[in-house]
Amino acid sequence: KAGVTQTPRYLIKTRGQQVTLSCSPISGHRSVSWYQQTPGQGLQFLFEYFSETQRNKGNFPGRFSGRQFSNSRSEMNVSTLELGDSALYLCASSRSSNTGELFFGEGSRLTVL
Amino acid sequence: GENVEQHPSTLSVQEGDSAVIKCTYSDSASNYFPWYKQELGKGPQLIIDIRSNVGEKKDQRIAVTLNKTAKHFSLHITETQPEDSAVYFCAASKSGSNFGNEKLTFGTGTRLTIIP
Repeated sequence: KAGVTQTPRYLIKTRGQQVTLSCSPISGHRSVSWYQQTPGQGLQFLFEYFSETQRNKGNFPGRFSGRQFSNSRSEMNVSTLELGDSALYLCASSRSSNTGELFFGEGSRLTVL
Repeated sequence: GENVEQHPSTLSVQEGDSAVIKCTYSDSASNYFPWYKQELGKGPQLIIDIRSNVGEKKDQRIAVTLNKTAKHFSLHITETQPEDSAVYFCAASKSGSNFGNEKLTFGTGTRLTIIP
């Protein structure tokens, strides 16, 4: 059974640009969550989607957005990139929206210059 | 909101010895406590979890204990091996139909090094 797949794995952007990251959950999983991991802040929750609806949102500015498609695949977008957005962005999938068990992908490492 | 504290931040143990990592949480309504292992260049991997209706859970060399009264839980790794070297994260959340899918709140991580 394939795990959570995130693309791209690595990317470099400059300040002011925007970026879109993609996540394909484990087959049969309908919930997708996104986390930002940085050395200083650790793992911080961004948002969670279930059946194409955003169910929960973390404390991030509106520049961070996401969506989920009917096949459960998800994308997150960061607009007007700032240096502080450099991080590992992790996607995690779960079978449903209330089991608590999350399975993470390898992450997309974003560097903002 | 929930706050999870994790100690120690770094831990070095001799191969074959035991390692213990401790976490405390603040929200008494939290009922799900997973532990994740993150190796270099990889995403966190769920290694064991415990729910609040259980005091202890064991899976081969790893075990987790939960003290709901004191609001703390611990990860125990016995007979440590070099491949146990990684960063370990504890987390807490409220899960189940009453709460929907509450986010996981993570501890700050423990870098475990096994000395051969």
